[in-house]
Amino acid sequence: EPEVTQTPSHQVTQMGQEVILRCVPISNHLYFYWYRQILGQKVEFLVSFYNNEISEKSEIFDDQFSVERPDGSNFTLKIRSTKLEDSAMYFCASSVTLASQFFGPGTRLTVL
Amino acid sequence: AQSVTQLGSHVSVSEGALVLLRCNYSSSVPPYLFWYVQYPNQGLQLLLKYTSAATLVKGINGFEAEFKKSETSFHLTKPSAHMSDAAEYFCAVSENTGNQFYFGTGTSLTVIP
Repeated sequence: EPEVTQTPSHQVTQMGQEVILRCVPISNHLYFYWYRQILGQKVEFLVSFYNNEISEKSEIFDDQFSVERPDGSNFTLKIRSTKLEDSAMYFCASSVTLASQFFGPGTRLTVL
Repeated sequence: AQSVTQLGSHVSVSEGALVLLRCNYSSSVPPYLFWYVQYPNQGLQLLLKYTSAATLVKGINGFEAEFKKSETSFHLTKPSAHMSDAAEYFCAVSENTGNQFYFGTGTSLTVIP
């Protein structure tokens, strides 16, 4: 069964460093998303991406964040200068339509 | 704007007992509603979804949920809990034309042997 994959499973970085989280969505999906879950809190929407551009973003998704689909299979989230409060689980999701999203296993980001 | 409220951050049931996890939503348009399950150190797995077809939705692992518009609820049930059901459960809502999902704060289900 097709699934969304994410790498790495755990990323540790120093405050101020750039990180890139990678996702491979399900191959025939058209919509791509990033969410984050701070430990013990709810899952929060960051951004959605369709037709090679951002279609919607939340207040969390400020200038420090960017997304890219560099090669038609990968979907990346970049954080330019990480802060302590960026420590969270980051989930990638993809969907064929707007009605259902399939989530990856997540990348746990720890900012020291 | 949409939002989801999950009553009860922790629910404990005995093995074999009924599972009832509550979810109430607010939405200005007809919603799509979802239940996801998250096992420890894993991602979110879709249990079931409501997308304006039948109001009683059956999902995986014996779970089902009923959409009640008058009560703005989408409670998740399972007749008989198994030990393997212990996990975090998230209710989510989206507009039928929107992109983002709005998640509840989650309910941690413990199954007591």
